[in-house]
Amino acid sequence: QKEVEQNSGPLSVPEGAIASLNCTYSDRGSQSFFWYRQYSGKSPELIMFIYSNGDKEDGRFTAQLNKASQYVSLLIRDSQPSDSATYLCAVNSGGSYIPTFGRGTSLIVHP
Amino acid sequence: DAGVTQSPTHLIKTRGQQVTLRCSPKSGHDTVSWYQQALGQGPQFIFQYYEEEERQRGNFPDRFSGHQFPNYSSELNVNALLLGDSALYLCASSPATGAGEKLFFGSGTQLSVL
Repeated sequence: QKEVEQNSGPLSVPEGAIASLNCTYSDRGSQSFFWYRQYSGKSPELIMFIYSNGDKEDGRFTAQLNKASQYVSLLIRDSQPSDSATYLCAVNSGGSYIPTFGRGTSLIVHP
Repeated sequence: DAGVTQSPTHLIKTRGQQVTLRCSPKSGHDTVSWYQQALGQGPQFIFQYYEEEERQRGNFPDRFSGHQFPNYSSELNVNALLLGDSALYLCASSPATGAGEKLFFGSGTQLSVL
């Protein structure tokens, strides 16, 4: 059973701070890693993906991957109240186009 | 460019009834996946359709079935509804190759079973 674990939160950070969201996965054969953002009552939206160890930056978002530790994280710099949402980690095993999702971490950015 | 569209947005059914949910993929996408998302949980994979065939299936009973049409649109059917089937049902489309791992979700159908 492939598992993706996330702390459900909520994670509360002040506006302007760095929010750090974490995800661990059980399948060592996993090759693709995704972060989706889901606002309350809405559907998930892909915001970041990463395939190789290290960091990948896109605007205020940085995805970090450590395959040896089976750990992927999402950093949100200069957090804004509009970043308040649930962040879903999704992981694909090699050869599969079907990601396994974590339960998501609720992020609250307060003014 | 129309994104992924789902209908209906909300549905209320009683136990034992049957339901059909519909999905039209994003333009240029030919693969459709269905997910069930219970409150406070991540999306759970039901099945994926490509070229009108079920390509892969998650751990859901046979009460859950689907279909894909030549225009790539898809239906999810659930028979003999149970209270536990109450959830948000999400359709996601993707291209068959290349960026096939990146899912584009529709707005979902909220199903309530009473």
